[in-house]
Amino acid sequence: TQLLEQSPQFLSIQEGENLTVYCNSSSVFSSLQWYRQEPGEGPVLLVTVVTGGEVKKLKRLTFQFGDARKDSSLHITAAQPGDTGLYLCAGFNTNAGKSTFGDGTTLTVKP
Amino acid sequence: NAGVTQTPKFRVLKTGQSMTLLCAQDMNHEYMYWYRQDPGMGLRLIHYSVGEGTTAKGEVPDGYNVSRLKKQNFLLGLESAAPSQTSVYFCASSYGPGTSTDTQYFGPGTRLTVL
Repeated sequence: TQLLEQSPQFLSIQEGENLTVYCNSSSVFSSLQWYRQEPGEGPVLLVTVVTGGEVKKLKRLTFQFGDARKDSSLHITAAQPGDTGLYLCAGFNTNAGKSTFGDGTTLTVKP
Repeated sequence: NAGVTQTPKFRVLKTGQSMTLLCAQDMNHEYMYWYRQDPGMGLRLIHYSVGEGTTAKGEVPDGYNVSRLKKQNFLLGLESAAPSQTSVYFCASSYGPGTSTDTQYFGPGTRLTVL
């Protein structure tokens, strides 16, 4: 079973601060995805990273896939209350044909 | 397009009762999934289907059954509900991992309480 560990589990910060969330595994993934889930709703895809070392930017969010394709990070610059939510990473392995989800990081951004 | 829809949105059951959760998708996706989400435990895969008429077990299949009689529908059944099955249930669908990625589209969830 491939495991994905996310850290921190909970994060509470003030508006305007920067933060980084990590997603780590001992397994290699074909791709890794980040989802955001708001209370009472299902997860929604933010980004997919495929190539080792790849960096993708989505406005104030920067996603990086580790060189060995075992880990990833999500960095948010100048966080806003609208960024509040549960952030989930999911690693996909082509051989297994399935995605594995991490336990998530719950982010609270206080105004 | 409605995307992925789930019914019902909320349900309260007594221990031993049965129920069926319905998931429907209008994106012509091959793959469909049922997850449960509990506090601090992320998403755990219950069962999944790689196409009409096929189903497979996920990480936590005990106490649940599924059926995929039509491509657009995926049903999750609880034959004899237990308090441990109190959770939020999410359905998801995807085109299927034909390449190196697998984007899943999620429904809004069903909040189930078993007393």
